Amino acid sequence: QSVLTQPPSVSGAPGQRVTISCTGSNSNIGAGYDVHWYQQLPGTAPKLLIFGNNNRPSGVPDRFSGSKSGTSASLAITGLQAEDEADYHCQSYDSGLSGSVFGGGTKLTVL
Amino acid sequence: QITLKESGPTLVKPTQTLTLTCTFSGFSLRKSGVGVGWVRQPPGKALEWLAVVYWDDTERYSPSLKSRLTITKDTSKYQVVLTMTNMDSVDTATYFCAHQQLDGGNWFDPWGQGTLVTVPS
Repeated sequence: QSVLTQPPSVSGAPGQRVTISCTGSNSNIGAGYDVHWYQQLPGTAPKLLIFGNNNRPSGVPDRFSGSKSGTSASLAITGLQAEDEADYHCQSYDSGLSGSVFGGGTKLTVL
Repeated sequence: QITLKESGPTLVKPTQTLTLTCTFSGFSLRKSGVGVGWVRQPPGKALEWLAVVYWDDTERYSPSLKSRLTITKDTSKYQVVLTMTNMDSVDTATYFCAHQQLDGGNWFDPWGQGTLVTVPS
């Protein structure tokens, strides 16, 4: 069982907006540690999508955005496209574990 | 451009020790704040952080696996080695190494392509 909790799956039609939640606790997200998001296309390694809660690396479309509040964070994807179909993972740091922690991953299906 | 690549056995017998090497380029593990971490992903399951080594030789391990893991770095060879003892079928997973920057929020970027390690039951 992952330290950070994500919904197993979400779906949306092309052009729609979807959000993926990432819920932690007072030893990780709630303690002020940053949340990062990764996109993992089938059969490939994860790729950094959002860092520091709401920052996009160069090359990531502005359709992707992140936010954080309290012990939770969210990834929003607007203008859904077929190519967005992938697994999405959140990551933070946990002071109790003294290391990185991940969410269970969320599979996004574009209908 | 930073790149990383994992190498090691694809098949390990139960109770054996796994040794994986991460060979990287485009950065130096002598630079302040730089680290290389290992993450694994069992087939169809979540990512699990394993260990990280930083430029100053600091090592951190997942508490649940700490007794079985050792991470070392060879700065001159641009390599980081992860060993995991007493392998079991539940350790079957794709193992990734990734670049980290301690003072940059410690995210993983970029990642190696990963290497699938199978432990038969």
